[in-house]
Amino acid sequence: KNEVEQSPQNLTAQEGEFITINCSYSVGISALHWLQQHPGGGIVSLFMLSSGKKKHGRLIATINIQEKHSSLHITASHPRDSAVYICAVRPNSNYQLIWGAGTKLIIKP
Amino acid sequence: GAGVSQTPSNKVTEKGKYVELRCDPISGHTALYWYRQSLGQGPEFLIYFQGTGAADDSGLPNDRFFAVRPEGSVSTLKIQRTERGDSAVYLCASSLRSAVDTQYFGPGTRLTVL
Repeated sequence: KNEVEQSPQNLTAQEGEFITINCSYSVGISALHWLQQHPGGGIVSLFMLSSGKKKHGRLIATINIQEKHSSLHITASHPRDSAVYICAVRPNSNYQLIWGAGTKLIIKP
Repeated sequence: GAGVSQTPSNKVTEKGKYVELRCDPISGHTALYWYRQSLGQGPEFLIYFQGTGAADDSGLPNDRFFAVRPEGSVSTLKIQRTERGDSAVYLCASSLRSAVDTQYFGPGTRLTVL
């Protein structure tokens, strides 16, 4: 079982829909990252959070430390949101990030 | 600079050759990371620098891989006797002080070993 699991692996939605991507992890962590990677592009850090909720524009990230679960939400989705969204956690024990496999999101106009 | 930069953006080499990949972190960032991302997979940790020293190099796959950061800013990832399996996108990231800070990623170097 992977230490970081994301669901769904693939998600196709229509423009304007509310999107939720989930991340579950099995280790104790000090921080969780949500990152975005466009096809052929670099990785952009969206959020780093260790508790509660953060919001930036149409993006919202939440984390429940007790349940070892985080969600990334996109409101009023747009085709330019199409990308791979990756969850990565930093364990308490070391510096390395443990990466999820990513969720490929396609927003159709 | 405004962000993390990496050069070259693309590198094609032949099996057995030596390559160097460069990373320029955000000015003032003391922590620097190298990752490798193979097609269809998530990034794989290679090495973490704190200043000039490698705080954690446990992700380097074998002794053909080596990285330096002599002045605590620019870092070079060096790969000797390249193999086809080394083909991947090599990502560099930096953070302000340590691994507790947000990591900012460069655009990556796509390495192709023929």
